[in-house]
Amino acid sequence: TQLLEQSPQFLSIQEGENLTVYCNSSSVFSSLQWYRQEPGEGPVLLVTVVTGGEVKKLKRLTFQFGDARKDSSLHITAAQPGDTGLYLCAGGGGAGSYQLTFGKGTKLSVIP
Amino acid sequence: GAVVSQHPSRVICKSGTSVKIECRSLDFQATTMFWYRQFPKQSLMLMATSNEGSKATYEQGVEKDKFLINHASLTLSTLTVTSAHPEDSSFYICSAPNGGYNSPLHFGNGTRLTVT
Repeated sequence: TQLLEQSPQFLSIQEGENLTVYCNSSSVFSSLQWYRQEPGEGPVLLVTVVTGGEVKKLKRLTFQFGDARKDSSLHITAAQPGDTGLYLCAGGGGAGSYQLTFGKGTKLSVIP
Repeated sequence: GAVVSQHPSRVICKSGTSVKIECRSLDFQATTMFWYRQFPKQSLMLMATSNEGSKATYEQGVEKDKFLINHASLTLSTLTVTSAHPEDSSFYICSAPNGGYNSPLHFGNGTRLTVT
């Protein structure tokens, strides 16, 4: 069974601060995705990384996939109140599987 | 982009009754859909995988006779919570992949079920 450990579980920061969310596993994933979910809504895809060492940027968000494809991080620069939400990492199971393994999520609150 | 529509968004029902939740892929076909349950401030808990034209695959601990899943077409999966009880109150979300294996999932906006 593949597991994804996501940390921290909760994070409350002031507007303008930087933060990093981590997603770690002992298993190799063929791809890793990050989602953001707001209360009362379904998760929305932010990014997919597929190559070990890959770095993708989405405005103030930087996503990195570990060289061994076992871990990933999400770094937010100068957080804004609009970044508040539940961030979920999810790993792809490889050939023959549509199912993703989800981390437990990071509840981020950015205080104005 | 690909859209998954989930209906209803909120439902309140009395204990002992059944509730049906629909999940539709609006502009793509989905042979597989996933149903999740989510508790407040927690991640998604996979309940079952819905397969078009065949039986759903349930995760360990999920009662298949209580959570009936039907995937009768390539664009529609339904989850029926039978004989609902207050402990079934939760946020239920469906998703569908739009593409091959390991493709990103497109999620519905969820259904808030309250059983009184």
